[in-house]
Amino acid sequence: NAGVTQTPKFRVLKTGQSMTLLCAQDMNHEYMYWYRQDPGMGLRLIHYSVGEGTTAKGEVPDGYNVSRLKKQNFLLGLESAAPSQTSVYFCASARSGANVLTFGAGSRLTVL
Amino acid sequence: ELKVEQNPLFLSMQEGKNYTIYCNYSTTSDRLYWYRQDPGKSLESLFVLLSNGAVKQEGRLMASLDTKARLSTLHITAAVHDLSATYFCAVDTEDSNYQLIWGAGTKLIIKP
Repeated sequence: NAGVTQTPKFRVLKTGQSMTLLCAQDMNHEYMYWYRQDPGMGLRLIHYSVGEGTTAKGEVPDGYNVSRLKKQNFLLGLESAAPSQTSVYFCASARSGANVLTFGAGSRLTVL
Repeated sequence: ELKVEQNPLFLSMQEGKNYTIYCNYSTTSDRLYWYRQDPGKSLESLFVLLSNGAVKQEGRLMASLDTKARLSTLHITAAVHDLSATYFCAVDTEDSNYQLIWGAGTKLIIKP
């Protein structure tokens, strides 16, 4: 049972480049989340989804877009990367109505 | 503004000692979560506290919740090196659309 899988694990971008982070879960969870983690700031919610075909903004959505075309996948896109988006990104999933999250291993993104 | 504050943010202690991490939150919430993150790793759920007076224990860790004081504690008994990690608390409320609001984390180092 793989749980939550994130790809890629590491990526270096130049300012202005675009990229997509992929999150896949095999637990049939309804809810999926994208967080970013920066030193000393805990986790901040970027976007989330409460089911296939739905997305919603979190605390820090600017500069990011998401899609949930299939229940098991949640994509996070950066259209024009900025150095302020250098961070570790975590995807998580949960059963409907619960906030006991299962996290992926994280994706470390550096924007130069 | 919804806030979750942990203290201390950093704690270095000797094996065998007891200590407590505190988590204060600024809004009405009956649900509080504790997560653990090992260095360079993902987060895993430790405890979910769902009502005032709730107490959960696993091994050397015990968590409690006082919703009237808006305070949760994570108590470590007779610490061992394997408990070295960063511990996060989080709450969800109607004001946050039931999305988790995270504390900054407490980095715990336990010296042999």
